[in-house]
Amino acid sequence: LAKTTQPISMDSYEGQEVNITCSHNNIATNDYITWYQQFPSQGPRFIIQGYKTKVTNEVASLFIPADRKSSTLSLPRVSLSDTAVYYCLVGDGTGANNLFFGTGTRLTVIP
Amino acid sequence: DAGVTQSPTHLIKTRGQQVTLRCSPKSGHDTVSWYQQALGQGPQFIFQYYEEEERQRGNFPDRFSGHQFPNYSSELNVNALLLGDSALYLCASSFGEVGYTFGSGTRLTVV
Repeated sequence: LAKTTQPISMDSYEGQEVNITCSHNNIATNDYITWYQQFPSQGPRFIIQGYKTKVTNEVASLFIPADRKSSTLSLPRVSLSDTAVYYCLVGDGTGANNLFFGTGTRLTVIP
Repeated sequence: DAGVTQSPTHLIKTRGQQVTLRCSPKSGHDTVSWYQQALGQGPQFIFQYYEEEERQRGNFPDRFSGHQFPNYSSELNVNALLLGDSALYLCASSFGEVGYTFGSGTRLTVV
């Protein structure tokens, strides 16, 4: 299983764009990169998933360089409600590879 | 369409006792995974059930056991509770390995 490394915490002002980078130097060819968001006392919620280049949905963008050894989750114009822990996961989604979470990045949005 | 439902939401047990937590998967999902999340940590994979069988297991002792019923719902049992078992227990359902959806968890406190 590819290990991931993320910053422990980040602060941002409301309305700014936030970029959270995750390192996964040992990512395998078949691995996807998935990001989850978790609020206190709730289960993680799927944000976005990608394999290479750029993926965008209604809440975030995911940038993956050609070597795929890192990825960056981009949250545009954050609000106070985006204060949460964000987890980067790497895996191939097969039966032999379940979801393994690290400690995540605690994002605090400041008014 | 109901999401993943877990019960109870909170409970308090005494050290040495046994506890059973329950999970109803999202409609259309046939696979249930259980996670333990200690305060300030990321969720840790306990085990996964598919077709009423334990398909994969994380690094947890035999005190942790589970069951999946024909309707895909699942139970997590923990025997001989220790103080260190206090945590948020999360259930995630999926269709195979696709579309992991988490419940809000059960907060277990062992005193």
